[in-house]
Amino acid sequence: NAGVTQTPKFQVLKTGQSMTLQCAQDMNHEYMSWYRQDPGMGLRLIHYSVGAGITDQGEVPNGYNVSRSTTEDFPLRLLSAAPSQTSVYFCASSYFGTGQVGEGYTFGSGTRLTVV
Amino acid sequence: KQEVTQIPAALSVPEGENLVLNCSFTDSAIYNLQWFRQDPGKGLTSLLLIQSSQREQTSGRLNASLDKSSGRSTLYIAASQPGDSATYLCAVSLGGYNKLIFGAGTRLAVHP
Repeated sequence: NAGVTQTPKFQVLKTGQSMTLQCAQDMNHEYMSWYRQDPGMGLRLIHYSVGAGITDQGEVPNGYNVSRSTTEDFPLRLLSAAPSQTSVYFCASSYFGTGQVGEGYTFGSGTRLTVV
Repeated sequence: KQEVTQIPAALSVPEGENLVLNCSFTDSAIYNLQWFRQDPGKGLTSLLLIQSSQREQTSGRLNASLDKSSGRSTLYIAASQPGDSATYLCAVSLGGYNKLIFGAGTRLAVHP
């Protein structure tokens, strides 16, 4: 299994540009989420989804949009990029069952975004 | 508000030592606790997940324990190797679909 796939791996944007970070998982997980990781701030939740058609805000949602039209895909849209959005973005998926192998969160390899 | 603290922030040890990394959390009403490893410039790799009803989990040279009542978890690494060098992150979940709350991590360096 591929697990969680994120594209692109690196991106440089100019202030004001928009873009979509892609995330796809092939594990049929119900739950998907986006985190950003910043030095000294740790990982913080941006948005999450508990299933197709259902999304909600996390800790730092401003400036980002999400949608979940399929179980597999959960794209993150930056509406108008700002230097404060320079960060490493991680997508994660999970299901929760009975404590068996594979339960818990699986993270993608990340997208390193620089906004100039 | 749930807060997760990891001690120490950084650790440098010679190869072969047994290590203990600490994680503490302020709210004992957790659903589970997960330990991750992050290599520089890479994503997070799940190491161990402990359900709230469990006391410990083991995988190879790794053993993680959980004491909900005291708000603590420890990650024990036996016979450390240079390949264990990475940042280790502890994260708790307050519910099945709740967000993960991460600690700041312990940066481990194992030198030959």
